[in-house]
Amino acid sequence: EPEVTQTPSHQVTQMGQEVILRCVPISNHLYFYWYRQILGQKVEFLVSFYNNEISEKSEIFDDQFSVERPDGSNFTLKIRSTKLEDSAMYFCATYTTNEKLFFGSGTQLSVL
Amino acid sequence: AQSVTQLGSHVSVSEGALVLLRCNYSSSVPPYLFWYVQYPNQGLQLLLKYTSAATLVKGINGFEAEFKKSETSFHLTKPSAHMSDAAEYFCAVSASNFGNEKLTFGTGTRLTIIP
Repeated sequence: EPEVTQTPSHQVTQMGQEVILRCVPISNHLYFYWYRQILGQKVEFLVSFYNNEISEKSEIFDDQFSVERPDGSNFTLKIRSTKLEDSAMYFCATYTTNEKLFFGSGTQLSVL
Repeated sequence: AQSVTQLGSHVSVSEGALVLLRCNYSSSVPPYLFWYVQYPNQGLQLLLKYTSAATLVKGINGFEAEFKKSETSFHLTKPSAHMSDAAEYFCAVSASNFGNEKLTFGTGTRLTIIP
C-alpha cells in the first residue's frame, strides 16, 4: 500500500472552473508539499504546509491557489479559476516522523 | 538560491552497458543532493541522497553517485544497465536534509534501455 495516495489520477476541466486535488497520507506525516511538472519542464515546488499553515510558497502559488487539511487527514490543493497554463502533473509529497519523504503518483490536470 | 542542471533529456544505453546520468548543481550553501526515479504511472522514488557523510553514495537497484565539489557535480551511475532501469530520473538539491526544506529539481533524464 503506498504511503501517499493522490486522487484523481486524471482531471479534465474547463478554463475558469475550480478544481480540488487530494492527497491522502497514511500516518506519521508532518510536512506536506505540492509540486507540479508542466510537460517537458522541471518539477517545480509550489507550497509546503506544516502544523496547519503554509510554511513556504513559491511565486507560482498565487491567490488562485490554496491548500488545506480540513479533517486532519486529506491534504488538498484548490485552484479557484483554472487557466490553460495550469495544465500539469501535480505531485503531493509528505515527510514523516521517521524522516522519510514520500511522493504520490500524481494527478494529471488538463485545462481545456 | 539553488539549482541543478541535468545534461541530456534522453539517454539510451544497451542492456549490460554502463549508465551515466549527469547532474551539476549550484548552491550558495552546502548542498544536499538527491536522485529520484519515476516509473510510468508511479510517484517519485528516492534512489539515493548525499548528506555530506560520504562523497560516494550507494543507493537502491545498484545505482551510485559521487559528489564532486570541485566540479559541482553529482552524476548517477550504474555499472550494468537492466531493462527494468528504463524510467525518468531526476536530480534535486535542497538546503537541508530535513523535511522543512523544499527540493529544487532538474528537468529530468529519460533513460531508455536497448535490448
